[in-house]
Amino acid sequence: AQSVTQPDIHITVSEGASLELRCNYSYGATPYLFWYVQSPGQGLQLLLKYFSGDTLVQGIKGFEAEFKRSQSSFNLRKPSVHWSDAAEYFCAVGAMDSSYKLIFGSGTRLLVRP
Amino acid sequence: DARVTQTPRHKVTEMGQEVTMRCQPILGHNTVFWYRQTMMQGLELLAYFRNRAPLDDSGMPKDRFSAEMPDATLATLKIQPSEPRDSAVYFCASGLAGEAFFGQGTRLTVV
Repeated sequence: AQSVTQPDIHITVSEGASLELRCNYSYGATPYLFWYVQSPGQGLQLLLKYFSGDTLVQGIKGFEAEFKRSQSSFNLRKPSVHWSDAAEYFCAVGAMDSSYKLIFGSGTRLLVRP
Repeated sequence: DARVTQTPRHKVTEMGQEVTMRCQPILGHNTVFWYRQTMMQGLELLAYFRNRAPLDDSGMPKDRFSAEMPDATLATLKIQPSEPRDSAVYFCASGLAGEAFFGQGTRLTVV
């Protein structure tokens, strides 16, 4: 069974500063990995995904994430944060076997200081 | 613009009543998920389907929750009888090639 850990409940950054949100997963094989963003009162929007190939993936809104197999990590980054990036961010892991179970981490709430 | 549609968006009901939440997945998607989101538990996977067949519903309280896909355009989640602890936002998501697209959710309040 897969699991996801997002160790940071809250992160506060200044507008224009860089951002890194941490995600660690547990799965017996190479998983599918995702980052989603949720604004208040909204559903989850897919930011980016990793299935295979290049371990650095680019997503929407200027986000990127890097898959590091040796560290079982899939951290999300953005070089310069905008106030509109304030939201909750979820990392998710999907099984590559026939079960295709998609499990989410507990989320990290991003606050942006003006 | 293809999207997952959930109805109703909000539901307030009294304890003991039956609640039915509906989801229209994106046309052509073969996987449908139901999640529940609360402050305490985060996003919990309740059940999911592949090609309309249930793959896993181990996340659901079996005595009161049921999930079905009567056809490819409709997924339902029922709670009978509802309890105050069921108050949460329930999300449906659909997918085809490994990713999931979420609906706006149904905010359920049981009083």
